[in-house]
Formats: sequence, C-alpha cells, structure tokens
Amino acid sequence: QITLKESGPTLVKPTQTLTLTCTFSGFSLSTSGVGVGWIRQPPGKALEWLALIYWDDDKRYSPSLKSRLTITKDTSKNQVVLTMTNMDPVDTATYYCAHPIVATDAFDIWGQGTMVTVSS
Amino acid sequence: EIVMTQSPATLSVSPGERATLSCRASQSVSSNLAWYQQKPGQAPRLLIYGASTRATGIPARFSGSGSGTEFTLTISSLQSEDFAVYYCQHRGTFGPGTKVDIK
Repeated sequence: QITLKESGPTLVKPTQTLTLTCTFSGFSLSTSGVGVGWIRQPPGKALEWLALIYWDDDKRYSPSLKSRLTITKDTSKNQVVLTMTNMDPVDTATYYCAHPIVATDAFDIWGQGTMVTVSS
Repeated sequence: EIVMTQSPATLSVSPGERATLSCRASQSVSSNLAWYQQKPGQAPRLLIYGASTRATGIPARFSGSGSGTEFTLTISSLQSEDFAVYYCQHRGTFGPGTKVDIK
C-alpha cells in the first residue's frame, strides 16, 4: 500500500524559504520509472503543479516557479524535499505530494496535504 | 507552454442525470490527459488517465474520451457522492476546474 505524508512549517514569513518534506512508503525511489511530485492549491483556487523528481534524479519544474524551487530526494529515508525561496503571501496554499503512475504524468496516490500560510 | 481550459465553470445537474465535462488543450497533447475529482477538504482523487483509462477502484459510470486537444469526462448517472470539483491535467498543467453541483 502506497502512502505519502507532507510535513513542514504551517507559517512562514515573507521572503523566507519554505522547506517541505514528503515521507512515503510502499514504493522505492530507486525503482526504475518511479517519481514523486508536488502540487499546491491556494484556498478556494485550482491545483497548481510545482515539481517532480524521478528515480534517476531527473527533475522537472513549473516554468513560472523554476527559479524559486528545488526538489531533492533521499532514497535511503524514503523522502522527497521541496524548497521554495522568497515566499510571498500569494504562496499561501495547501501543498500536496503525490505519486505518479509509472510512465504517465497522472498522480494516483496523494498525501493529505499540508497548509502553509505566508504572513508577517 | 500548454494551457488547459475547462468548461463549463459550473455544471448544475440533478441526481441520476448525465454530466458531460469538457477540457481543451491549447495544442495537441495526444492522449496524455488525466481527470481528478476533489471534494472540499480532501486531496484530489485520480479518475481517468491516458484520456480514457479508469484508475483503480473508479466506478464504471465515469468515462473519459478524446485525444489531441478536445477531451470529455462523462458521468453517466450522477450519484450524491459525485458532486465535487473536477480537474483535467496534462503533465505540468492543471485546468481551472469544473464544479458539479446539485440542480
């Protein structure tokens, strides 16, 4: 059974760097084709794709946020970390990590999400 | 960058009726298209991937069709639990969503 869970701060100040951790079980990021992605959703708004990392350390980023995002993996800990620099109140959102079906871009298993508020 | 649009923004349907949701891509995405359902306070749930393949455990009343730039999600007979927001996705882009509410 695949599960994912997000963790990190619930409140960050403007200009700070956000670090979120996705801890997963039921699969390995050392297995060919496997990946983990991050998606966010501001309150009352649509989903926004952020980043995705694959088993071979291939990384994909949202073009509009690429300069602010870094995604890394720790295979031994079954974790994926997303950092976002220069946080702004518009970055207030629920942040999800999710598992894509191998060889597709569709996320079949999602974490519960973690709400991050950006405020001074 | 490919832009995904969805119509209508809101669809009012009576229980038992058929619902048809549309998703359009600004350029061809072949069959690389997924549909999700999201209820308030919950994470999205994958319904369809590859434009027409139902995800594990998804009822047969949900079906997807289309290729290229035009896609459709059909719910053949709406159940009470189907009232939610539906998103389409191609790779790194989600559509704005269609809210299905009770007529």
